[in-house]
Parts: sequence; structure tokens; C-alpha cells
Amino acid sequence: GAVVSQHPSWVICKSGTSVKIECRSLDFQATTMFWYRQFPKQSLMLMATSNEGSKATYEQGVEKDKFLINHASLTLSTLTVTSAHPEDSSFYICSAGPETGKGETQYFGPGTRLLVL
Amino acid sequence: SQKIEQNSEALNIQEGKTATLTCNYTNYSPAYLQWYRQDPGRGPVFLLLIRENEKEKRKERLKVTFDTTLKQSLFHITASQPADSATYLCALKYSSASKIIFGSGTRLSIRP
Repeated sequence: GAVVSQHPSWVICKSGTSVKIECRSLDFQATTMFWYRQFPKQSLMLMATSNEGSKATYEQGVEKDKFLINHASLTLSTLTVTSAHPEDSSFYICSAGPETGKGETQYFGPGTRLLVL
Repeated sequence: SQKIEQNSEALNIQEGKTATLTCNYTNYSPAYLQWYRQDPGRGPVFLLLIRENEKEKRKERLKVTFDTTLKQSLFHITASQPADSATYLCALKYSSASKIIFGSGTRLSIRP
């Protein structure tokens, strides 16, 4: 099956620093990738939809200048949390898909846990 | 706006029994309804997808039903095992290009 990886799997940083998270589709090309955030005991909340070669579409309430998304290739999207603060501490998950011509399934990465001190 | 309710935050059943999880939604029916499994600290894993024009889908011990009249999907795990313990997420998708909207999940615990 299709595999999506994320790097790093966890990161601890000081308040005010920027953190970059990578999302890669390992064995398929993904025109569209999605970024989610999940707080403890809550469901996944979509932050933005990223299309290769174009600007990301952000959900209401998500600051595009704070959460920078780059989708430079069909296998890589990056999320940069700029000037991170403790309230940005969360579990960030990306997904990719569907594969062209192969159904409607999105495949999720294993997630990146961010802790901002 | 669309709402998805998984009306059991937690479900605790005996091993070997059938676990039934419920997903209800408001407004118009999605083109696709999906179920995912999520273990603590991990990303969701896709289990089953059922289309608007399908009533039932099966995969091994899993069964999903989709009733657009009731605006409800049921997710069944037969012969449940402790390894089935996880959070199960219902998700709606309105077209092939649209985003997925997730329910809040049901935390299933199977006791030996």
C-alpha cells in the first residue's frame, strides 16, 4: 500500500524558533497533500490543503503567515511553524492522495509531535 | 455547517463480541464515507471506504453500512480482539477532490 512518511517524528524547541516538518509520499505521486493538527483527545482538524506548484488553501482561522506550506514536488510538502509558541504544541499529521486513478483514499503520515517550551 | 457525531466517546466490550460504532451526520450525504483506525501517538490508518450508492462493505472482520436516509454509518468489528482496541474515526468526503471531515472518534477497548 501507499506509504507516507513524516520527519521529524518529534521535536522540542524554544519559543520563538521556527520548525519545519516534512511530509513525503514514498511510493506514489500526490498532487494534493493535506496538513492536520490534533490536540489531545480531539479529532484531526484540517489546517490547509496543499497542491503541487500552487499556493496552499488554508482553513478558516489558520494563519497562513504562521504556518507556511510549500509543496514543491509531487512527493514532498513541508509545513513550517514560524515563531512557534507553547500554544502551537500539538500533533501535526499530513496526508497525501488519492493516487491518480486509484480510488479515493488518503494516506496519512505517522505524525510529528511538536513541543514548544 | 456539516456536523459529524460519533455518539460514543468510548466503548468497552468483551473479547469475542461484535463491536458496533455509530457515525451520524447532518445536512447532505457525502459521496464517500470512510473509517480510520488511530492508535495513540500515530497517524490514522485507512480501513474502509463506502460510497453513497453502496449499502454495505466488508473486509475480513470489518463491516460498514451506509444509510443515506438515516444519515448514518455503522462500523462493525466481529469476533473482537484486544488488538482491536484503538480510536476509530469516521470521515466524510463530498467529492474526489474535496477535503476529508473527521468525526471526533470513538475509543474502543476490548477486554480479555
